[in-house]
Amino acid sequence: EVQLVESGGGLVQPGGSLRLSCAASGFTFSSYWMSWVRQAPGKGLEWVANIKQDGSEKYYVDSVKGRFTISRDNAKNSLYLQMNSLRAEDTAVYYCARYAPYYYYMDVWGKGTTVTVSS
Amino acid sequence: VIWMTQSPSLLSASTGDRVTISCRMSQGISSYLAWYQQKPGKAPELLIYAASTLQSGVPSRFSGSGSGTDFTLTISCLQSEDFATYYCQQYYSFPWTFGQGTKVEIK
Repeated sequence: EVQLVESGGGLVQPGGSLRLSCAASGFTFSSYWMSWVRQAPGKGLEWVANIKQDGSEKYYVDSVKGRFTISRDNAKNSLYLQMNSLRAEDTAVYYCARYAPYYYYMDVWGKGTTVTVSS
Repeated sequence: VIWMTQSPSLLSASTGDRVTISCRMSQGISSYLAWYQQKPGKAPELLIYAASTLQSGVPSRFSGSGSGTDFTLTISCLQSEDFATYYCQQYYSFPWTFGQGTKVEIK
């Protein structure tokens, strides 16, 4: 079964850091672009970052550039999101998602992990 | 950035109704559009890609149409499990963007 399982969310103070992980199984992880998408409480979906199969290309939404870093470890079938200098507006459920081959729509999603930035 | 206008934001309907949701782009995106369904507390699920191609396993009562700037998601005969929020997403131009969402609620 194709599966993505996120972990690492929690409560963090403004200015703090958190590292999210996403464990992939049931497919050849190293063959896919991967992404993080977030959803603030009661709000819509926002694409955050994505990374190429070999990690050589990474892209971010403007609001997280310089603060968040996406990475992957294909040997461990894992995707990561290092989040630094967190702000209240980063509070959201963070989803790990797989891109379909050759196109940038997301065909597999994890259940999400919740990040709360509050003092 | 491509801006997306999804409408309506809230749609009240009954089981068996035919419903349509619109997604309009600020510029043409050919057919690079996907639709997702999200139920409360759950992750989004892919319904349609390339504007009109049904994802495997998605019931045939769902259909998508359009190209360029105007797109439509249609549910031909609303079922109880279809009450959810629906999002469109363009993947023509970076950064990928989502519509604001349409909540389909029970009338």
